[in-house]
Amino acid sequence: QVQLVQSGAEVKKPGASVKVSCKASGYTFSDYRMNWVRQAPGQGLEWMGWINPNTGDSKYIQKFQGRVTMTRDTSISTAYMELSRLTSDDTAVYYCARDNNGADYWGQGTLVTVSS
Amino acid sequence: QSVLTQSPSASGTPGQRVTISCSGSSFNIGNNYVYWYQQFPGMAPKLLIYRNDQRPSGVPDRFSGSKSGTSGFLAISGLRSEDEADYYCAAWDDRLSGFAVFGGGTKLTVL
Repeated sequence: QVQLVQSGAEVKKPGASVKVSCKASGYTFSDYRMNWVRQAPGQGLEWMGWINPNTGDSKYIQKFQGRVTMTRDTSISTAYMELSRLTSDDTAVYYCARDNNGADYWGQGTLVTVSS
Repeated sequence: QSVLTQSPSASGTPGQRVTISCSGSSFNIGNNYVYWYQQFPGMAPKLLIYRNDQRPSGVPDRFSGSKSGTSGFLAISGLRSEDEADYYCAAWDDRLSGFAVFGGGTKLTVL
């Protein structure tokens, strides 16, 4: 069965970077784009961007351009999302989600807390 | 402030039919599919409806989706206590060059 397993919670200081991983199993990793979505505490969902695991092409919404990098390692079926220059506003749960007629499978989420 | 507008809350009693709406524009819902997600507290969202009115396997037929003009609708019939959750709509937005936008979410309470 399809599974997306994300890395564990992180605590970072303002100005630091965080890299979240998302390991896929149960399907051919290269066949589907991977989205990244975040959710601040008590808030709604926010798209961040996506990566095409087959080509490595990625695209980010304007808000995150220059601060986010999405990569993948096809040899281990894992996608990564790195966010730099963190501020307290980046405190959120970060999700990876497979793109297939909507985001049909989601990771369990990774809580990133930014605090001095 | 979300591009897609949802009422923050909705409620119904068990057995009732409830409809949640999602208002957009010609740039998003008017020209693209609507998707609906269900999220329980502390859990990842789950895809409930795709391409306006299609249900992924395993989603009960009590959940149905529709679209009219620049608005999307999620209907839940035979409401159950376990349907109490947050519901989000989403649609691709032509102004965002290949990105989707979410609604702000509707918290459904089963009275």
